[in-house]
Amino acid sequence: GENVEQHPSTLSVQEGDSAVIKCTYSDSASNYFPWYKQELGKRPQLIIDIRSNVGEKKDQRIAVTLNKTAKHFSLHITETQPEDSAVYFCAARPAYSGAGSYQLTFGKGTKLSVIP
Amino acid sequence: DGGITQSPKYLFRKEGQNVTLSCEQNLNHDAMYWYRQDPGQGLRLIYYSQIVNDFQKGDIAEGYSVSREKKESFPLTVTSAQKNPTAFYLCASSVGLADGEQYFGPGTRLTVT
Repeated sequence: GENVEQHPSTLSVQEGDSAVIKCTYSDSASNYFPWYKQELGKRPQLIIDIRSNVGEKKDQRIAVTLNKTAKHFSLHITETQPEDSAVYFCAARPAYSGAGSYQLTFGKGTKLSVIP
Repeated sequence: DGGITQSPKYLFRKEGQNVTLSCEQNLNHDAMYWYRQDPGQGLRLIYYSQIVNDFQKGDIAEGYSVSREKKESFPLTVTSAQKNPTAFYLCASSVGLADGEQYFGPGTRLTVT
């Protein structure tokens, strides 16, 4: 099955600096890579996702890059703000082929702290 | 915060008792999921259901059971066979099993003593 490794487990940055979180995956059949943000005591919420036919996707201060050859993808947050403080999870899911589980496999999370 | 709901928010049980966690969605989604979240462990899949009256085991199904009698509902029972049941439980749904975003409920924190 799929295995997703996420680094670092904790990350502290000064407000205004950039933050980068990296994930690697093992299953070359994976083609969908979402990122979820979970604030303390709240539900995870999708912040950005990328599919394997795209190398990079941006949404305002957030971007995700994907390297299918190396099987890794990264979340980039620029101009960080205190409200970016949360736990971020990456995940991977295989492409639909008519059989299989298609479950999302999650990384263990990165706790991001933005220091004012 | 409508769409997918879980109840109760906090649940306390004595060891040896079965307990059922509720999950309801009004998004007309076919697929539903149960995850367990422990500190430093990420989200681990317990069970999932692609369609009514069908469900599959996830990575950590032992000690849990589910049912999917209605499209809107996917209750999870934590049985006395689950050795370490204290955790935060999250329900999620998506349009289809291999289709886009999973929407999460607010979660139930279960404490078993």
